Amino acid sequence: DAKTTQPPSMDCAEGRAANLPCNHSTISGNEYVYWYRQIHSQGPQYIIHGLKNNETNEMASLIITEDRKSSTLILPHATLRDTAVYYCIVSESGANSKLTFGKGITLSVRP
Amino acid sequence: EPEVTQTPSHQVTQMGQEVILRCVPISNHLYFYWYRQILGQKVEFLVSFYNNEISEKSEIFDDQFSVERPDGSNFTLKIRSTKLEDSAMYFCASSEEGFNYGYTFGSGTRLTVV
Repeated sequence: DAKTTQPPSMDCAEGRAANLPCNHSTISGNEYVYWYRQIHSQGPQYIIHGLKNNETNEMASLIITEDRKSSTLILPHATLRDTAVYYCIVSESGANSKLTFGKGITLSVRP
Repeated sequence: EPEVTQTPSHQVTQMGQEVILRCVPISNHLYFYWYRQILGQKVEFLVSFYNNEISEKSEIFDDQFSVERPDGSNFTLKIRSTKLEDSAMYFCASSEEGFNYGYTFGSGTRLTVV
């Protein structure tokens, strides 16, 4: 089972920041937080991952709390194309580690 | 940007028939995976593959399923005798050594068993 809890849905206005929360209170020391998204029925798309430090790339920022029990994915300027299901996944690092997907959070970006 | 390519995009097959789903992973990736998603449900792990052998498989991946890397570029999933409940989107993914960028998933093959 997925080790993360996410609200089922949220929406935000186009051009505004979207802050997607995730709880992972049972995360262990060697587990990373990964975020993927799935647009319609396409294959999941990797967004970002982190261990304990905040991370930023061209797509998003990841803020992990100091106790590592929760995190927030931030899309700084949401567009209509960011409407998707976003998955927060806890997994050991390593190319051989499987991903356990939950139901994710459906983000709807409105015009 | 490099892509994982899956063919066909849609496959319809009769119950009991064998199907082979094909994937071309990103060329310098060394780790390969299959996941599936039944309509309206979660994405589920099936199998991971490295160095020409299965690294891990789920309970779903029973004796009806097999994977193969027949040459240096293709990665295939075979379902020996399809059942109605095998109808799903099947996603292939690959990742590089070091795992700095997560998996790259393909666009999927929609398998419909009738």
